[in-house]
Amino acid sequence: QISLKESGPTLVKPTQTLTLTCTFSGFSLSTNGVGVGWIRQPPGKALEWLALIYWDDDKRYSPSLKNRLTITKDTSKNQVVLTMTNMDPVDTATYYCAHRPRTTVTFDSWGQGTLVTVSS
Amino acid sequence: QSALTQPASVSGSPGQSITISCTGTSSDIGGYNYVSWYQQHPGKAPKLMIYDVSNRPSGVSNRFSGSKSGNTASLTISGLQAEDEADYYCNSYRSSSTLSVFGTGTKVTVL
Repeated sequence: QISLKESGPTLVKPTQTLTLTCTFSGFSLSTNGVGVGWIRQPPGKALEWLALIYWDDDKRYSPSLKNRLTITKDTSKNQVVLTMTNMDPVDTATYYCAHRPRTTVTFDSWGQGTLVTVSS
Repeated sequence: QSALTQPASVSGSPGQSITISCTGTSSDIGGYNYVSWYQQHPGKAPKLMIYDVSNRPSGVSNRFSGSKSGNTASLTISGLQAEDEADYYCNSYRSSSTLSVFGTGTKVTVL
């Protein structure tokens, strides 16, 4: 059974860097075709895809946030880390990590999400 | 990174069928059979309901079905139940650096 959980600060100040960790179980990020993605959702607003990392370390980013995002993986720890620089109040959102399966292009299992508030 | 377009709200009475549309372009919905639909109850994480346009994951009710025509995908909920009241989001692969794009979201109300 696949499980993912996000962790990180609940409050960051403007201009600071946000670091979020996704710890997962039930799959390996060294399996051919598998990926882990990050998606966020501002309060009361729609979902927005941020980044995705594949088993072979291929990384993809949202073009609008590409310059601020870095995604990495630690296969031995079953973790994926997302960093976002220069945080702004508009980045206040619930951040989710999700599993991309080997067989298709979707996110079939999601973490519970973590709310990050950007405020001075 | 323009989102896919969904109606803001759709409503129906218990037992009825409703359909939610999701409109994109030939670079996403129209070009690939990689459309997914997610259900999200308040305060909860999204749940995958449909993938690859019309496939249901194990455990998802067969009251949920998906289809696509041209640049528009659709999610149909038949036999509407109170528990179906939630927000629904479509998602598609996009052939550009964007890779993945979500819809604007639709609030389903069971009258």
